[in-house]
Order: sequence, then structure tokens, then C-alpha cells
Amino acid sequence: DAKTTQPTSMDCAEGRAANLPCNHSTISGNEYVYWYRQIHSQGPQYIIHGLKNNETNEMASLIITEDRKSSTLILPHATLRDTAVYYCIVRTSGTYKYIFGTGTRLKVLA
Amino acid sequence: DADVTQTPRNRITKTGKRIMLECSQTKGHDRMYWYRQDPGLGLRLIYYSFDVKDINKGEISDGYSVSRQAQAKFSLSLESAIPNQTALYFCATSKQELGSYNEQFFGPGTRLTVL
Repeated sequence: DAKTTQPTSMDCAEGRAANLPCNHSTISGNEYVYWYRQIHSQGPQYIIHGLKNNETNEMASLIITEDRKSSTLILPHATLRDTAVYYCIVRTSGTYKYIFGTGTRLKVLA
Repeated sequence: DADVTQTPRNRITKTGKRIMLECSQTKGHDRMYWYRQDPGLGLRLIYYSFDVKDINKGEISDGYSVSRQAQAKFSLSLESAIPNQTALYFCATSKQELGSYNEQFFGPGTRLTVL
């Protein structure tokens, strides 16, 4: 599975868009990009995933570069409740395995 | 009611004791997983099970064992607990993969301290 690199921490003002980058330069053609978040010490929560097209759901948008070597998770209007650790995970379709890195600690500021 | 429950939520034990952590789910999923999380780190997979008769080791299975008593129940045991097993333990479930989609649903976690 490809390795991911994320910034250790980021701040975002409440109401603004939070843009969380992820580098996965060794990603292969059958690997998907997944995003989860973990609020405080709760269990991680699925946010979104994609292969090569941009994706949007009720929580966030996922922008994947054309070469697929990096992606950005966008929370369009961050709230204080979005303060969490965000994990970018690369996973091969058909496998069970997630490899969680250390993630990005996002702090939304009032 | 929570879909994935873990008991106990907190446990303090002593070195050498046998400990069992339990996980139950009402989601009807076939697949269940046990992870541990150490402070400041991501989750690491201990064991996983794709159905009652299928149990597999993950990245860090040494010192742990599991039992899949039923589709809805998956227990993690520490046969002889040691201090470096102090961690936050998560159970997760997922259904059989449909296309690319494989969302895992996590329980609330069990905080285990081994003295």
C-alpha cells in the first residue's frame, strides 16, 4: 500500500473552508484515497473516498490531482465540531487493510 | 442505540492478568476488526475476521488472541497483559465490499491500562 504524508497540524477559522492536503506520490492505479477523522479519542469516522475523479458528499469534497499523487480534503464551512485528527489513507480495492498514519490535527478557531 | 459497542470502556489491570475486551454489533456486518492506538499515533490492526470461521492476524497480533463467537460478537484477549499493551483499543465492522466502497464503522473504544 502506498504511504501518505500529511501536515502534522493546521488551524482554520470557523466558517471558513478547511483544506487538508495529502501526498501519496507512490499511489498505484488500483489504490483508492480514503479520508477518516477522529474526534478526540472517539472511534474514527468515515468521511469520503475516491479514485481519480473529484468527489463530494454531505460532509466534504475530495479533490484528487490528475496524476493522483496528491489530494485535498475540503470542509467547506468548518465548525468547532470539525476539530479532529484527519487521516488520509490509501487502500487497494478488494483488500481489508487500512494503514493509518499520524494524520493532521485540525483545530477550528472561533 | 450504538451500532458497535465495546465493553468495558475503561479497564485498569496488572501485569500478567488475562483480560478480555468484547465487541458487539447490530449492523449485520460480516467483517469485524480489532485495532490498537497508542498516544499520538494512528491505529494499527491486530486481528480481523471476515466471517465466523475466518480469523486472520493483522500487523501486531503477538500477545493477543481473538474469538468470533457469532456474527455479531468479536472478542479480543490478552492472555498475560504487559505494560506496553496499555493503549486505546477499537473494534470496527464493515460489510462485504461493494465496488470500491469499504467503510469501516468503529466502536467507542476501550482504554486499557496495564500496571
